[in-house]
Amino acid sequence: NAGVTQTPKFRILKIGQSMTLQCAQDMNHNYMYWYRQDPGMGLKLIYYSVGAGITDKGEVPNGYNVSRSTTEDFPLRLELAAPSQTSVYFCATTPLGVHQPQHFGDGTRLSIL
Amino acid sequence: RKEVEQDPGPFNVPEGATVAFNCTYSNSASQSFFWYRQDCRKEPKLLMSVYSSGNEDGRFTAQLNRASQYISLLIRDSKLSDSATYLCVVEGNTGKLIFGQGTTLQVKP
Repeated sequence: NAGVTQTPKFRILKIGQSMTLQCAQDMNHNYMYWYRQDPGMGLKLIYYSVGAGITDKGEVPNGYNVSRSTTEDFPLRLELAAPSQTSVYFCATTPLGVHQPQHFGDGTRLSIL
Repeated sequence: RKEVEQDPGPFNVPEGATVAFNCTYSNSASQSFFWYRQDCRKEPKLLMSVYSSGNEDGRFTAQLNRASQYISLLIRDSKLSDSATYLCVVEGNTGKLIFGQGTTLQVKP
């Protein structure tokens, strides 16, 4: 039982490149979230999903896209990477609602140069 | 006013000390409160939920003060292994959970 799995763990991108951060969970949780965490800062919600086929914007969605075609997977896409998107990205899940404590993956460290 | 505010610290304390962190929040209708622990370059992990009546888990005590809109975390008999960043998480104005920036604790031998 892996819980929440994020890939890759580290990545360096050039400005303007695109990439997809993968998040997979095997807990059958309905709710999934993407956060970014800049140094010395709290987590900021990028996008979230309450179930397959349903996604919604969080606090900082600009420059990102998501999809949720299955319960298990919630990929985050960067279309045109910018230096401001250098951050640590965490995927999280909750079973039933946004007010429940979240279970996190171990993060993707992304640098854009 | 930020939705959730924490003193970033760092708090430097000797082993065995008692240390307390506060976290203020702006949404008076908040119903969900949590403390998370985050080790350096790791993911946040749930430390404890915070209940209206206050709750304790071993050396850790969490309290909620609705009148003044803050939650607190008290750590007794600090251990070296308690060194970490402690994140306050509160239901925000939009109904979603908001993370504070964290308070860093360093426990020294």
